[in-house]
Amino acid sequence: EAQVTQNPRYLITVTGKKLTVTCSQNMNHEYMSWYRQDPGLGLRQIYYSMNVEVTDKGDVPEGYKVSRKEKRNFPLILESPSPNQTSLYFCASTFGTGVREKLFFGSGTQLSVL
Amino acid sequence: TQLLEQSPQFLSIQEGENLTVYCNSSSVFSSLQWYRQEPGEGPVLLVTVVTGGEVKKLKRLTFQFGDARKDSSLHITAAQPGDTGLYLCAGPHFYGAGSYQLTFGKGTKLSVIP
Repeated sequence: EAQVTQNPRYLITVTGKKLTVTCSQNMNHEYMSWYRQDPGLGLRQIYYSMNVEVTDKGDVPEGYKVSRKEKRNFPLILESPSPNQTSLYFCASTFGTGVREKLFFGSGTQLSVL
Repeated sequence: TQLLEQSPQFLSIQEGENLTVYCNSSSVFSSLQWYRQEPGEGPVLLVTVVTGGEVKKLKRLTFQFGDARKDSSLHITAAQPGDTGLYLCAGPHFYGAGSYQLTFGKGTKLSVIP
């Protein structure tokens, strides 16, 4: 089954404790992206990647890191999480440049930073 | 980043009623997409509109792209409880060398009451 898999689904952590949210897709997609979704602010892009070893900042990259060492994986790293990073996070992927292609989303990771 | 404004922000209607939600921008988009997001899940693509003036139908849902490609609308006929969800529009913003960023509106949260 074609899918984008995020883990974990729920995560509660404390300020300053490094964490990684994993994202994997099994569709051989070139384009992958991370979004955060907050009430009243909608979906905002954190980072995106057009292909392996190619990553770029989105609208809200501060406090986040990403890497794209393999085509299928695009982990999101929070080196020193803070409470303002409490949010619902989505990973997404699509074919090629993906402009008019369907963006496939994972089921989300609900992160709480205490 | 080009902004997409969606209206209304919230909409609560009775089953069987018709409704229209809007996605507007001051910028021209090469294409626009509509997604629906249900609670606890990631957004799922409904349609992509590409040509100014284009109308696409998906069962009881009718999507229109404005002639000037700055706006789009989604009309639902005879709404059903299964239509409940967050409706998001999204459009690409291009950078150099084929890179782009997909920007989302904040969404319209629709509740259809049985």
